Amino acid sequence: AQKVTQAQTEISVVEKEDVTLDCVYETRDTTYYLFWYKQPPSGELVFLIRRNSFDEQNEISGRYSWNFQKSTSSFNFTITASQVVDSAVYFCALRANSKLTFGKGITLSVRP
Amino acid sequence: EPEVTQTPSHQVTQMGQEVILRCVPISNHLYFYWYRQILGQKVEFLVSFYNNEISEKSEIFDDQFSVERPDGSNFTLKIRSTKLEDSAMYFCASSESQPQHFGDGTRLSIL
Repeated sequence: AQKVTQAQTEISVVEKEDVTLDCVYETRDTTYYLFWYKQPPSGELVFLIRRNSFDEQNEISGRYSWNFQKSTSSFNFTITASQVVDSAVYFCALRANSKLTFGKGITLSVRP
Repeated sequence: EPEVTQTPSHQVTQMGQEVILRCVPISNHLYFYWYRQILGQKVEFLVSFYNNEISEKSEIFDDQFSVERPDGSNFTLKIRSTKLEDSAMYFCASSESQPQHFGDGTRLSIL
């Protein structure tokens, strides 16, 4: 069975601060994919980033970066220089077969 | 950029009635999914569909649910006899392989 834990429930930061969203996952599969999705107040789910289980290289994409640590089963997501438009619920998700298993989400509020 | 399209955006239905939620996946995608999100909760997998058949379904997807791809473009979720607890946002998603791209969702309200 797959499980995704997002221990943080709500984070509030001031604009331009960096913020890291934590994600811990469980799976018995050796091949899997990890994702972060953003859900703004309008309700849609927006794909942000993806990582394969066999590639632990961490990357930066614009203001987004992620830290994938297989040894600790963690896939943390960092937003650098946060903006008010980053305010949303952020979901970490795991895919080991055909379905996505989501965490409970973290509500990020960025104050001006 | 191609999008997954869902209609209607909001559906209000009386308890016990049948409802059909419609989705148009991205045209070259082969894998289709339905998820639901009860208000304030996490997104939950319902069903995946490939090659005109269900490839996986969750325990939520019981006999009152069914999916269909009636033509080359639409992918529908039918709830046969709605209950109050079916009130949720229903998301359709499609993929070629990775990642899954989601529609904007249909908010289903059961009265």
